[in-house]
Amino acid sequence: GENVEQHPSTLSVQEGDSAVIKCTYSDSASNYFPWYKQELGKRPQLIIDIRSNVGEKKDQRIAVTLNKTAKHFSLHITETQPEDSAVYFCAGSNDYKLSFGAGTTVTVRA
Amino acid sequence: EAGVTQFPSHSVIEKGQTVTLRCDPISGHDNLYWYRRVMGKEIKFLLHFVKESKQDESGMPNNRFLAERTGGTYSTLKVQPAELEDSGVYFCASRDGTRYEQYFGPGTRLTVT
Repeated sequence: GENVEQHPSTLSVQEGDSAVIKCTYSDSASNYFPWYKQELGKRPQLIIDIRSNVGEKKDQRIAVTLNKTAKHFSLHITETQPEDSAVYFCAGSNDYKLSFGAGTTVTVRA
Repeated sequence: EAGVTQFPSHSVIEKGQTVTLRCDPISGHDNLYWYRRVMGKEIKFLLHFVKESKQDESGMPNNRFLAERTGGTYSTLKVQPAELEDSGVYFCASRDGTRYEQYFGPGTRLTVT
């Protein structure tokens, strides 16, 4: 089955700086890669996703890049704000069930 | 549009007892998933329903776990008898069959003492 690894496990950034989270996957057949944000006590929220036929996708301050050859994908958050503090999960899928990374706790320092 | 709902939000039970978790998916979503996050680790897949049928239950830990989705609407996940290692947060997610996106519920935090 799919195995997704995520780094770093924790990330502290100064407000206004950028944050980058990286994930690797093992199954070359995986074709869908979502990112979820989970704030304390709340549900995981889908914030952006990318299909394997696209190399990059952007939505305001967040972007995701995918390198199919290397089997890795990354989340980029620019101009970080305090409300970006949360746990972020990457996931991969080739059959609709999601395989998740272990999560990255992002703290944005004011 | 109402999101995925789960009940209860928290449950504390003793080892050997039974607990039933409920998930109500987004209306019209035929696909329903159960996931679990244990001890701050990754969220792991348990099983997948398409309407009332189990499409994939490869992630179910053992036969103490029983999931049902009678009528293809809400789903229940029963743990009987509960063991200490069953503690964790159980998430439900639903998906429109024409799209990839899965929408998660708030989870049920299960503590087995």
